[in-house]
Amino acid sequence: GQQVMQIPQYQHVQEGEDFTTYCNSSTTLSNIQWYKQRPGGHPVFLIQLVKSGEVKKQKRLTFQFGEAKKNSSLHITATQTTDVGTYFCAGPPGSARQLTFGSGTQLTVLP
Amino acid sequence: DTEVTQTPKHLVMGMTNKKSLKCEQHMGHRAMYWYKQKAKKPPELMFVYSYEKLSINESVPSRFSPECPNSSLLNLHLHALQPEDSALYLCAGRQGTRDSPLHFGNGTRLTVT
Repeated sequence: GQQVMQIPQYQHVQEGEDFTTYCNSSTTLSNIQWYKQRPGGHPVFLIQLVKSGEVKKQKRLTFQFGEAKKNSSLHITATQTTDVGTYFCAGPPGSARQLTFGSGTQLTVLP
Repeated sequence: DTEVTQTPKHLVMGMTNKKSLKCEQHMGHRAMYWYKQKAKKPPELMFVYSYEKLSINESVPSRFSPECPNSSLLNLHLHALQPEDSALYLCAGRQGTRDSPLHFGNGTRLTVT
């Protein structure tokens, strides 16, 4: 079936180090969305990418959408303890009518 | 802060109980969703309401019964649940087109004993 996978599943970094999570779909996505879920919290929308090759930045966060619209990445520069949480990508793969969430990357930032 | 409010925050129920989860929004969301999320897993779609009509039911067991009384309210009625149904239940709203982002509520953490 249609799947959206993320790697790595877990990532531990020292505060100040960079972090990247990768999202890969088996089919083309019309758009990709990124959400952050803090421990014990709910998913919060971060950003949406629509165009092939699109790059968007939010302060220390950089989001990219692949040229083939099948993959995406989220890069955090100089992580802080406030970046702790699970990052999910989500997209409507192929002919799907609704969002499919990626498997998520759980980020731990060590002080 | 969230535009979507869910109650209760926590719920413990026995397998013979009947309970309801409530979701309320006043942001004009045209579509409302119920998701189920197990620990360390992504949200899993259960139901979608579009303009107060059930548009998607992702093969959810009949012990989960959704209801949309009006454009601001969404309920999830629970009956004869199993311990494996214990999870975080998330309500979400969407304002724009199908591709618009979702706004999640805080969720109800359900434990079935």
